[in-house]
Amino acid sequence: AQTVTQSQPEMSVQEAETVTLSCTYDTSENNYYLFWYKQPPSRQMILVIRQEAYKQQNATENRFSVNFQKAAKSFSLKISDSQLGDTAMYFCAFMSGETSGSRLTFGEGTQLTVNP
Amino acid sequence: EADIYQTPRYLVIGTGKKITLECSQTMGHDKMYWYQQDPGMELHLIHYSYGVNSTEKGDLSSESTVSRIRTEHFPLTLESARPSHTSQYLCASSEYLGGPSYNEQFFGPGTRLTVL
Repeated sequence: AQTVTQSQPEMSVQEAETVTLSCTYDTSENNYYLFWYKQPPSRQMILVIRQEAYKQQNATENRFSVNFQKAAKSFSLKISDSQLGDTAMYFCAFMSGETSGSRLTFGEGTQLTVNP
Repeated sequence: EADIYQTPRYLVIGTGKKITLECSQTMGHDKMYWYQQDPGMELHLIHYSYGVNSTEKGDLSSESTVSRIRTEHFPLTLESARPSHTSQYLCASSEYLGGPSYNEQFFGPGTRLTVL
């Protein structure tokens, strides 16, 4: 079974600065997908960024980028130019590409607070 | 925001009551999921469905049941609610894209259930 670990329960950053959220995972599979989801207070869970394991290039979405280290099974999220609206719970998630069902395994989450 | 809806958003009920949490999506997605999330904690998959008349139990044991009679509708039922069922319940859906393409999950706003 896959596991996802987020070792930072809480983090804070000043507005306009850069912050990196850590995520490690454990799997014996070679084909899989990794995601970062954002859950603002009392708001819907939304997808921030995704990475296919077979792609070597790190995914980037505007101010969000990942550092995907497949051998180390690490998948960190970097948020540049942090904004107050980035305050949320961030979840790292794993999806197998080798078994059916598109099931997500989530990490414990990191509560990010952006301070003005 | 994705077209996936959950009702009610908040529910407070007494022990022993039967409840049904509704989830509907208008995207025509074949796969749907129910997650349970305690405050500030990770999501745990409790049920999922590949399509009409398909239901499977997830990773976390749950006393709830689900049904999938229509593609767009995936209700979750608790026959006799207990205080231990107090939690947030999130519904999600996804679509198979074919080939190596991942199946991004879209989440509903959640139902926060409190059983007294």
